[in-house]
Amino acid sequence: GQNIDQPTEMTATEGAIVQINCTYQTSGFNGLFWYQQHAGEAPTFLSYNVLDGLEEKGRFSSFLSRSKGYSYLLLKELQMKDSASYLCAVMDSNYQLIWGAGTKLIIKP
Amino acid sequence: GAVVSQHPSRVICKSGTSVKIECRSLDFQATTMFWYRQFPKQSLMLMATSNEGSKATYEQGVEKDKFLINHASLTLSTLTVTSAHPEDSSFYICSASVGQPSRGYTFGSGTRLTVV
Repeated sequence: GQNIDQPTEMTATEGAIVQINCTYQTSGFNGLFWYQQHAGEAPTFLSYNVLDGLEEKGRFSSFLSRSKGYSYLLLKELQMKDSASYLCAVMDSNYQLIWGAGTKLIIKP
Repeated sequence: GAVVSQHPSRVICKSGTSVKIECRSLDFQATTMFWYRQFPKQSLMLMATSNEGSKATYEQGVEKDKFLINHASLTLSTLTVTSAHPEDSSFYICSASVGQPSRGYTFGSGTRLTVV
């Protein structure tokens, strides 16, 4: 079956760095997405990785290793507004998005 | 660019009534629209995929007759929850591809449905 695992919850301090991991087992691979979702709101697109390596976008970076079925989202200089759920999603061979359950990130002052 | 407008944002209805949720792509053509449901503290659950001009494809366990999807044009897809019951209370979100995977999928703002 298809499976995406990510931690349920993480806590970090304002100004610090946090890494949210995602491992996946899917039928084929056509890219991995990270989304941010604030409570009661729709997800917003953060990043897309299809090749191995690190993609950097400002304070956020996303890494992919296809051979390991592994990705992480790195958030630097954490701000209180970064408190949200972070969803990892993989596009399988049928171009369907398979979603992880999300990681709730709690930022403390 | 690539905005999907979803409404209503919140709706409260009585058991047994039907509710229609609309999603419009404002500045692009959404050939395919995805409909998700999300329960509190859970991830997105794909309900169905709708393609313009054809019947929607429903995920296993989703009742076709209860969740009616219409995608009559390239800019409008609707989800109608028929004969709603309290267990249908949830957050419903639509999503569309903006063409290139590197740009991700854009989501509507979601509809919070409460059935009383």
